[in-house]
Amino acid sequence: GENVEQHPSTLSVQEGDSAVIKCTYSDSASNYFPWYKQELGKGPQLIIDIRSNVGEKKDQRIAVTLNKTAKHFSLHITETQPEDSAVYFCASLSRGSQGNLIFGKGTKLSVKP
Amino acid sequence: NAGVMQNPRHLVRRRGQEARLRCSPVKGHSHVYWYRQLPEEGLKFMVYLQKENIIDESGMPKERFSAEFPKEGPSILRIQQVVRGDSAAYFCASSLGVLGNEQFFGPGTRLTVL
Repeated sequence: GENVEQHPSTLSVQEGDSAVIKCTYSDSASNYFPWYKQELGKGPQLIIDIRSNVGEKKDQRIAVTLNKTAKHFSLHITETQPEDSAVYFCASLSRGSQGNLIFGKGTKLSVKP
Repeated sequence: NAGVMQNPRHLVRRRGQEARLRCSPVKGHSHVYWYRQLPEEGLKFMVYLQKENIIDESGMPKERFSAEFPKEGPSILRIQQVVRGDSAAYFCASSLGVLGNEQFFGPGTRLTVL
């Protein structure tokens, strides 16, 4: 079945540095890739997404890139702040699915002041 | 506008009891998804429902688990005869449509089975 691998599992950066989280997917029919931020004790919050007809998307300090040939996509956070500390999940949605997202195992990001 | 609402936020049950988890989607959303999250893990899909219909239940255990989304009222995830392995966070998400439509998640119900 479809699988999403996410790396690294933990990431620690200094405030102001950039953070990059990478995911690979197995289903070449996947065409929608959202990223979620989950703070302790809360539900996942959609922060950015990208569709397969686009290679890059940016929203202020957050950007996502997609390489369909290599089947991987990445989240880039610039000028990190302590409030960016959370667990980040990538996910993919297959064109042939009924709508169920396949999630990576998450990256725990710690931004040190 | 209210987002996805789930209740209860925390639920404690003893082995063998029943657990009922409720989810009210974003107003206007008719697609509901249930996911389960074990500690230190990602979310795993369980079931996808539209009003009065189960569309995909491929991620839901065949026994003890059931879900519904009636014409009126919230979606319900029901776990009968709970076991310790059912302890997890259960999240509900809703979307306006299906393919490529954003799924918005609720705060989750944390189920603890004693």
